[in-house]
Amino acid sequence: ETGVTQSPTHLIKTRGQQVTLRCSSQSGHNTVSWYQQALGQGPQFIFQYYREEENGRGNFPPRFSGLQFPNYSSELNVNALELDDSALYLCASSWLALSDTQYFGPGTRLTVL
Amino acid sequence: GENVEQHPSTLSVQEGDSAVIKCTYSDSASNYFPWYKQELGKRPQLIIDIRSNVGEKKDQRIAVTLNKTAKHFSLHITETQPEDSAVYFCAATTGMEYGNKLVFGAGTILRVKS
Repeated sequence: ETGVTQSPTHLIKTRGQQVTLRCSSQSGHNTVSWYQQALGQGPQFIFQYYREEENGRGNFPPRFSGLQFPNYSSELNVNALELDDSALYLCASSWLALSDTQYFGPGTRLTVL
Repeated sequence: GENVEQHPSTLSVQEGDSAVIKCTYSDSASNYFPWYKQELGKRPQLIIDIRSNVGEKKDQRIAVTLNKTAKHFSLHITETQPEDSAVYFCAATTGMEYGNKLVFGAGTILRVKS
């Protein structure tokens, strides 16, 4: 059992709105990575947070932003939603110092109309 | 940047047969190669992984092989069962300032026919 949780499970928004997705990492993990998985594709790396700082970023525009809190939980914020933002958003946690192994949460399915 | 190619995109096998999925990567510094299984509507689940200092790793019916020179790695599933039907993703790490990020292949839909 991975222990990574995400909320909400599903979300429907309209174009131009803003959304916040949440992730609680597995106990003992201090690193959270966020991925976007479009239908029929592999997950694409958005960014990673380590000790409350952004550690690295994929090829996503600045309207994708995030936070990590002292308890290592994390938020993904997306502003000015576009239709192409419709996807499954996955977070994954890991213990940076010991292992690269990442464990995924169940994801949030975002639909933008 | 890192690129991971995965083949085939779909694979149908008869129950009891073997299945092989192959991936190639571009970043010669990649040092960790996990495989994830994703069933419909569920999270990707880590099924096996291999590090660059190892050539092969087995876990019951699943094995992964790594050829660093050729920059490719493969997943082998023996004695396939209907519950093996899912989408399988390979991934490779590429470095950032602290830690690594995972770059995923496009996935392989495995169908095991009973």
